[in-house]
Order: sequence, then C-alpha cells, then structure tokens
Amino acid sequence: AQSVTQPDIHITVSEGASLELRCNYSYGATPYLFWYVQSPGQGLQLLLKYFSGDTLVQGIKGFEAEFKRSQSSFNLRKPSVHWSDAAEYFCAVGARFGNEKLTFGTGTRLTIIP
Amino acid sequence: DAGVIQSPRHEVTEMGQEVTLRCKPISGHNSLFWYRQTMMRGLELLIYFNNNVPIDDSGMPEDRFSAKMPNASFSTLKIQPSEPRDSAVYFCASSPLTGGPYEQYFGPGTRLTVT
Repeated sequence: AQSVTQPDIHITVSEGASLELRCNYSYGATPYLFWYVQSPGQGLQLLLKYFSGDTLVQGIKGFEAEFKRSQSSFNLRKPSVHWSDAAEYFCAVGARFGNEKLTFGTGTRLTIIP
Repeated sequence: DAGVIQSPRHEVTEMGQEVTLRCKPISGHNSLFWYRQTMMRGLELLIYFNNNVPIDDSGMPEDRFSAKMPNASFSTLKIQPSEPRDSAVYFCASSPLTGGPYEQYFGPGTRLTVT
C-alpha cells in the first residue's frame, strides 16, 4: 500500500521569502500525487496534481511542485509567499494501479511573519 | 459550479442523539467520499461510493455510523447514537472519475460537537 510522509509539522516563513514544503511517498510504481491547502475553517482545496509527463507541475496561487522519482519526493514550492498563504498544506498519494482512494499526509502548518 | 455542498455547517448535539450530515456532490462527479478530521487522527477516510454504490466502508468506526447515497446528487452520513468522541469536522468530497485515484474536491465541512 502507498504511504506519504510530510516531515515538517510546522514551518514559519517571512512574507516575501521563498517556500519549500517537503513530501515523500512510498509506492512501488509512479503514483498519482497531489497537494492540497486548507485555510482555517475551510475544506481542502486542490493546488496541483501530477499524473505523468513533465515532472515540474504548476498549480494555482503561484505554487509549483517537482516530482523526483529518485528521491520519492514531491516537494511544493513558491518563490515569494504572501500573508494569505498561511494555512495547512497536505500532500496526498494515490496508487496508479489501484482504486479511488487517496492517502493523505499529516499536514504542514505554514505561518507567515511580516 | 457551486462546488460540493454540505449541511449543516455546524451541529451541536447531546450524547445519544441521532445526527445526520448531508452532502451534495459536484454535478457529474461519479465518486463521493466521506472523511473525518480531528487533531489527534488527522484526515480519515470513512467510506466512499462509486456511481452511488458503496465501495469501501472499512474506515467507518463502528456500527453507529452509516452512510447512504440514494442518488447521484445526494448522500448522508448518520451517527446513531452519537458520542462525545465523534466530535470532529466531517468532510464530503467528490471526484469526477472512477477507475483510479483522481483529484477530489472537498466541501466546506460540518463541524460536529457532541456534548
């Protein structure tokens, strides 16, 4: 079965600084990969997804993620964060040859300081 | 599109009472998922449906929980009787496709408090 690890529980970044959130997965083949964002009191919103092809994927709100097969990683990046990016971020993995279920990581809480 | 709609947004009830949470998926989506989110356990999948048919209910905590999807535009999650440990945020999500782990679109959630 697939699994996903988000090593950082909480990250603090200054507004305008760059951001990288880590996500590592475990799966025997190339999985389907997703990043979601959850603002306080809200549901999860899809930021981006990777199924195949170009390993650098662009998402909404200026986010991008890079799939690295050799490192089993799918890290989320943003070149310059805004105060509105403060939220919880979840990485999720799905089994390419499996069912409809996604396995979510435990999340990384992002705090932005002025 | 209105997105996934959940009601109520907040529910406060006393232990032992029946609770019914409702979900309207995005029109045309073929899969529907019920999740529970708590600080201790994170996001847990409770049950999911494909084309209105329950596929996997292995995440349902116990017999007090039941879910139905009578048609493509409506699903319910019922807890009877409710207990304080059921307090959580319950999310419904829908996905446009079956046959694989495609992107899911989440509703705003129902915050349930059982006293």
